[in-house]
Amino acid sequence: DSGVTQTPKHLITATGQRVTLRCSPRSGDLSVYWYQQSLDQGLQFLIQYYNGEERAKGNILERFSAQQFPDLHSELNLSSLELGDSALYFCASSVPTSGGSLTDTQYFGPGTRLTVL
Amino acid sequence: QKEVEQDPGPLSVPEGAIVSLNCTYSNSAFQYFMWYRQYSRKGPELLMYTYSSGNKEDGRFTAQVDKSSKYISLFIRDSQPSDSATYLCAMTFTGGGNKLTFGTGTQLKVEL
Repeated sequence: DSGVTQTPKHLITATGQRVTLRCSPRSGDLSVYWYQQSLDQGLQFLIQYYNGEERAKGNILERFSAQQFPDLHSELNLSSLELGDSALYFCASSVPTSGGSLTDTQYFGPGTRLTVL
Repeated sequence: QKEVEQDPGPLSVPEGAIVSLNCTYSNSAFQYFMWYRQYSRKGPELLMYTYSSGNKEDGRFTAQVDKSSKYISLFIRDSQPSDSATYLCAMTFTGGGNKLTFGTGTQLKVEL
């Protein structure tokens, strides 16, 4: 168990809908990362937050947004869902260094499986 | 073309075999190289990381980086059925934040 929790485990919804995925980082970790894992694209970085502020952005669609709250949990919002958004969404957290180190281990949660019908 | 290429497998080996897993990459800026293991229905977990070129050993696992060839490898000695998982290479560079770029993963099955 990595100590990172994600809810829900599974989500089934229809095209055009909006969903919210939740992540609680390991106790004390200030950085949260979101990744999308699909069969054809593999694991892709979406966005990183550090202590409530956006730190880095990857291939995140404009329909997707995220935030990190004062208690450090994070939410990933996916809207106007399309069939192609079906994937596993992982949250990871890392140790709280001031600027972030390249060697900070990212601890991954168990993921949320999103199915868009 | 993807920044990081990895043979998806599946790779099936008998117990006790030496396993070689590989990734190639195109971005010469990558400096830190990692291997993650992902069991079915679980999140990835970090196995090893190396900085720049060279070898690093940890028990039955050895990671190698050849920056001149843009090629990294993970060797597993005396493979066990419990090593059956998907192995993902990942890499990052200074100035890229802590953003990891992953390969698509190689599925490994170690048979009794």
